[in-house]
Amino acid sequence: AQSVTQLDSQVPVFEEAPVELRCNYSSSVSVYLFWYVQYPNQGLQLLLKYLSGSTLVKGINGFEAEFNKSQTSFHLRKPSVHISDTAEYFCAGGNQGGKLIFGQGTELSVKP
Amino acid sequence: GAGVSQSPSNKVTEKGKDVELRCDPISGHTALYWYRQSLGQGLEFLIYFQGNSAPDKSGLPSDRFSAERTGGSVSTLTIQRTQQEDSAVYLCASSLMDGIYEQYFGPGTRLTVT
Repeated sequence: AQSVTQLDSQVPVFEEAPVELRCNYSSSVSVYLFWYVQYPNQGLQLLLKYLSGSTLVKGINGFEAEFNKSQTSFHLRKPSVHISDTAEYFCAGGNQGGKLIFGQGTELSVKP
Repeated sequence: GAGVSQSPSNKVTEKGKDVELRCDPISGHTALYWYRQSLGQGLEFLIYFQGNSAPDKSGLPSDRFSAERTGGSVSTLTIQRTQQEDSAVYLCASSLMDGIYEQYFGPGTRLTVT
């Protein structure tokens, strides 16, 4: 079965600290991988995507993710977080068919 | 330009009633998706339209759910005889084409079945 697993449901972190949000995918799901962010009472916004090529992908707001085929992982990182990064983050896998398979989400809470 | 819009933003209905949720995709986007976001199930794919092809309905949870897309643009998701477990946020997304193209999401419709 296709699946995307986010290993942490909640991640609390202090402002200006680094953060890593973990995501693993089943090898059957994915050709393409995405990270989306959802701010309170808003829709999802794309942070970054991996389609092919370089395994280190840079996205908006200073986020980056590394595709690791041997570990079937696509972890999201930011070297220094801000209060405004507080949101829910979703990892998703897709294929040529178009539909996305989402992880359960990770709630990032940045504290002053 | 205008993004994906959905209406209504909130809908409260009584168990057993039918509801219709509307999605206006970004102009020119040929692919349209419906997802459901609920506390217990996370984000689930429901249905996907691509151009004039037959829709992929593999995610619809029961035959009470249906969707159509008229003129390759606006889509309506219909839930018949609503149940309390249908309470969720229904998200619509569109993309230029399917596959690798970014899906742009609307703000969602929050459905509450009482």
